[in-house]
Amino acid sequence: GAVVSQHPSRVICKSGTSVKIECRSLDFQATTMFWYRQFPKQSLMLMATSNEGSKATYEQGVEKDKFLINHASLTLSTLTVTSAHPEDSSFYICSARRGTSGSVAYEQYFGPGTRLTVT
Amino acid sequence: GQNIDQPTEMTATEGAIVQINCTYQTSGFNGLFWYQQHAGEAPTFLSYNVLDGLEEKGRFSSFLSRSKGYSYLLLKELQMKDSASYLCAVRSMDTGRRALTFGSGTRLQVQP
Repeated sequence: GAVVSQHPSRVICKSGTSVKIECRSLDFQATTMFWYRQFPKQSLMLMATSNEGSKATYEQGVEKDKFLINHASLTLSTLTVTSAHPEDSSFYICSARRGTSGSVAYEQYFGPGTRLTVT
Repeated sequence: GQNIDQPTEMTATEGAIVQINCTYQTSGFNGLFWYQQHAGEAPTFLSYNVLDGLEEKGRFSSFLSRSKGYSYLLLKELQMKDSASYLCAVRSMDTGRRALTFGSGTRLQVQP
């Protein structure tokens, strides 16, 4: 099966600092990775889509200068939350898409998520 | 834009059958997904429909009607471990990104 990992699983940081979250596809090459955010008792909200070697595409309302996304290789994408504030505390989940097919059912594989708490 | 609606909460009894409905409005429809999510964990894939009809997989079945913008997830022989949130997600080809748009999720509580 396809495995996606995230690191760290939990992080606590102070307001004003930056936090980097890594998303790795362990056994396949991911041409596209997606970053989602989930607040308590709410559903997943897509933040941005990153393609290897190109700039990320951000959803409306997501600040690209605050949430820096780098997709440097086919197996790694990083999300950096800059100048974090308590309202950025959330569950951040990445997913990775294998290949270029648009019709394969299982093409998105989710990581285990990262719980960010900003104090 | 896309709009996905599903009930917020449902309660059912162990051993029973429960149906979770999802209605959606989207252009460039390219598939509907159901995911299960336990608290504090990432979603896990349950089912996928792109054509009208019923897809059965063990205790779980999912139905799609594209003309009605409607899907349901059917869970049979409910077990306590089925208590979780169930997310309906739609994929659209419009933007070319093939990202998933999730509904707000249905929290299912299975009681003894």
